[in-house]
Amino acid sequence: NAGVTQTPKFQVLKTGQSMTLQCAQDMNHEYMSWYRQDPGMGLRLIHYSVGAGITDQGEVPNGYNVSRSTTEDFPLRLLSAAPSQTSVYFCASTSRAYGYTFGSGTRLTVV
Amino acid sequence: AQSVTQLDSQVPVFEEAPVELRCNYSSSVSVYLFWYVQYPNQGLQLLLKYLSGSTLVKGINGFEAEFNKSQTSFHLRKPSVHISDTAEYFCAVEVFSGGYNKLIFGAGTRLAVHP
Repeated sequence: NAGVTQTPKFQVLKTGQSMTLQCAQDMNHEYMSWYRQDPGMGLRLIHYSVGAGITDQGEVPNGYNVSRSTTEDFPLRLLSAAPSQTSVYFCASTSRAYGYTFGSGTRLTVV
Repeated sequence: AQSVTQLDSQVPVFEEAPVELRCNYSSSVSVYLFWYVQYPNQGLQLLLKYLSGSTLVKGINGFEAEFNKSQTSFHLRKPSVHISDTAEYFCAVEVFSGGYNKLIFGAGTRLAVHP
């Protein structure tokens, strides 16, 4: 099925650990982005990419790194997890014709 | 800076009653507007979008929204809700800044439909 695939669906980390949230799309979209969802705050843009090799910061980039080596993949890295990064993370892939397609999310808890 | 305000954090309503979820945006440039729905423990699903043209936009599941440029609003309506409409609803605006597009979300409105 075409769409956006996020892994893992759930993750528990200890403070200071690192991990990578994976995001892959098979729609050949140039534009991809990462959001975090927190209660009462909607979704906030972390980082985005307009094509392979090009990334930029969104509203809340601190503590996160991204890279875009291929059109299909846009991983989000937490280098040293903090409790404030406990959230639900959504990856989105975008085209002008179809708009934003969101993945099913990764629920991350940092203890 | 662009922003989206959803005026109600929670809206309780009885089944088969009408509902309106309010959304206001601030932007000095042309915008594209969206409503998304999120069912419990699921991702976001597009309900409807306004890009241009008719200000009344019809979406899935019987929802519609009206774009009002003078009031900078994009309220979502449904004439008769069902239990299955219980979900969180997000209004969003896509803006073009620095050569790239960004989707800015409101804080969400939790719709609770009671029997």
